Amino acid sequence: GAVVSQHPSWVICKSGTSVKIECRSLDFQATTMFWYRQFPKQSLMLMATSNEGSKATYEQGVEKDKFLINHASLTLSTLTVTSAHPEDSSFYICSARDGQRQGPSNYGYTFGSGTRLTVV
Amino acid sequence: QKEVEQDPGPLSVPEGAIVSLNCTYSNSAFQYFMWYRQYSRKGPELLMYTYSSGNKEDGRFTAQVDKSSKYISLFIRDSQPSDSATYLCAMSKETSGSRLTFGEGTQLTVNP
Repeated sequence: GAVVSQHPSWVICKSGTSVKIECRSLDFQATTMFWYRQFPKQSLMLMATSNEGSKATYEQGVEKDKFLINHASLTLSTLTVTSAHPEDSSFYICSARDGQRQGPSNYGYTFGSGTRLTVV
Repeated sequence: QKEVEQDPGPLSVPEGAIVSLNCTYSNSAFQYFMWYRQYSRKGPELLMYTYSSGNKEDGRFTAQVDKSSKYISLFIRDSQPSDSATYLCAMSKETSGSRLTFGEGTQLTVNP
């Protein structure tokens, strides 16, 4: 089945530094990648949608200059949290869709294993 | 009002029980319905997906969709301790590249 590899699984950084999170689709081409954040005991909140080779579309209230998304290839998307602050501490998850598969069997999106970011 | 409502629980059942998880939604444009399971500190994994109204069964899991009532359910038969996780319903309006709207998730514990 489709696999999305997300790294790192956890990271601790100092306030003011930047952190990069990578998501790679291992056995399919991810034409669309979604980035979510999740606070404890809450659901996934969509931050942005990125399509390979184009600029990401950010959800209302998400700062595009703070959360930089790059989807330069069909197998790799990155999220960079710039100038991180303690309030950015959260669980970040990516999700990808295989653009070559159509129909109901493709309907589920494959999620990465998540990155727990702690800013101190 | 949230587009998708899901009782966050927590729900605690004995091993072997039948578990019923539910979501309601307000937007009639939703066509595709999914259930995801999320273990602690892990990404969600797809359990079931259904299109429009009806039932779908996969092993111990049955998903039901009632579009007329805007209500979806996931039933787990013969629940096991390994089923202990958070269950998220999700839905979308279109097929290609469409964003998913998630419920809050229901935390389930199956006690041995």
